[in-house]
Amino acid sequence: AQKITQTQPGMFVQEKEAVTLDCTYDTSDQSYGLFWYKQPSSGEMIFLIYQGSYDEQNATEGRYSLNFQKARKSANLVISASQLGDSAMYFCAMRDVMDSNYQLIWGAGTKLIIKP
Amino acid sequence: NAGVMQNPRHLVRRRGQEARLRCSPMKGHSHVYWYRQLPEEGLKFMVYLQKENIIDESGMPKERFSAEFPKEGPSILRIQQVVRGDSAAYFCASSPPGPGSGNTIYFGEGSWLTVV
Repeated sequence: AQKITQTQPGMFVQEKEAVTLDCTYDTSDQSYGLFWYKQPSSGEMIFLIYQGSYDEQNATEGRYSLNFQKARKSANLVISASQLGDSAMYFCAMRDVMDSNYQLIWGAGTKLIIKP
Repeated sequence: NAGVMQNPRHLVRRRGQEARLRCSPMKGHSHVYWYRQLPEEGLKFMVYLQKENIIDESGMPKERFSAEFPKEGPSILRIQQVVRGDSAAYFCASSPPGPGSGNTIYFGEGSWLTVV
């Protein structure tokens, strides 16, 4: 069965510092996708970044990048130059690309607080 | 992701009443998913629908919960005879049709159900 583990329940980071949020996954599938979502205190779920298991390059989207280490089954999110508005819950999720139901499996999340 | 519209945003129901949550997918998206988020947890898959079809309802409780996505109109998640344990955030997501579209899954802002 697929499983996502986020080992950091909470993190405090100084503004403007870089942040790494950990995510490890477990799957026997060869083709899968990894997602990161941000959930601010207002509650909405905001898509940040996607990495396919066969993508050779690490995904990047603005200040977000995904440090994908396939052999270690890790997909850490890196936020460069953190801002106060980055304070939120962050969720890592995955799905089997070949599975037609597109079900996402979610981690428990990491609460990130940016200190001024 | 603002294109996935959910309403109501907040809903309060007394035990035993019915709750109806609506979701209009993004334009051009024909796949709809419902997830539930309990406090301090990640999302849990409930059901995956396409127009007029339930594709996978493996995450739906066997009783009191039902979902539909009619040919016309929004998708509806219906909870009958609500209990306090149904209090949660219910998220709808959508994705476009076709293979490889599962990496473009966008979420609505969620509907927060409180059962008193």
